[in-house]
Amino acid sequence: EDQVTQSPEALRLQEGESSSLNCSYTVSGLRGLFWYRQDPGKGPEFLFTLYSAGEEKEKERLKATLTKKESFLHITAPKPEDSATYLCAFSGGYNKLIFGAGTRLAVHP
Amino acid sequence: AAGVIQSPRHLIKEKRETATLKCYPIPRHDTVYWYQQGPGQDPQFLISFYEKMQSDKGSIPDRFSAQQFSDYHSELNMSSLELGDSALYFCASSLARSNEQFFGPGTRLTVL
Repeated sequence: EDQVTQSPEALRLQEGESSSLNCSYTVSGLRGLFWYRQDPGKGPEFLFTLYSAGEEKEKERLKATLTKKESFLHITAPKPEDSATYLCAFSGGYNKLIFGAGTRLAVHP
Repeated sequence: AAGVIQSPRHLIKEKRETATLKCYPIPRHDTVYWYQQGPGQDPQFLISFYEKMQSDKGSIPDRFSAQQFSDYHSELNMSSLELGDSALYFCASSLARSNEQFFGPGTRLTVL
């Protein structure tokens, strides 16, 4: 069965302390690996799409990478405003998104 | 840039009542998706439409129905509401040729 697994479930960082979030996937015929940010009570905010192993994309303090089995979301020198839940997802049939359980990130000053 | 619009933002209903949620996609987006997110859970796909036709169906109860109109907006109709239907309901839109979906702010449905 196609699925994504995210780790850790929760992560607490000090401001400026870089780290990485993991998304392991077992998907036959991957048609895109997606990263979203979600703040409490709000809609997921699109961050990145990765399509092939070796691909990397960056946006401000975030960088997403993809291998044949997993994706990483690297956060460099995070700030408190980066606190959110980060969701990874893959594109299923007819492009519906299948999400992982997410990583809750808390960045403290 | 224009985003996905959802209305209402909050809705409180009694058990066995009906509810209608509306979604207005990003201009020129032709595909709409509905997701349900329970407390502490990830979003679960319900149903999608492309060019006013249902394109896929997920774990949507038979009590729920949806459609997409000629102006591409979509409505999710929910009948015989149950306590377990209390959740955030998100609409997302995309261009059919792209699988990048952009989400609306959601409708928080509370069933009492």
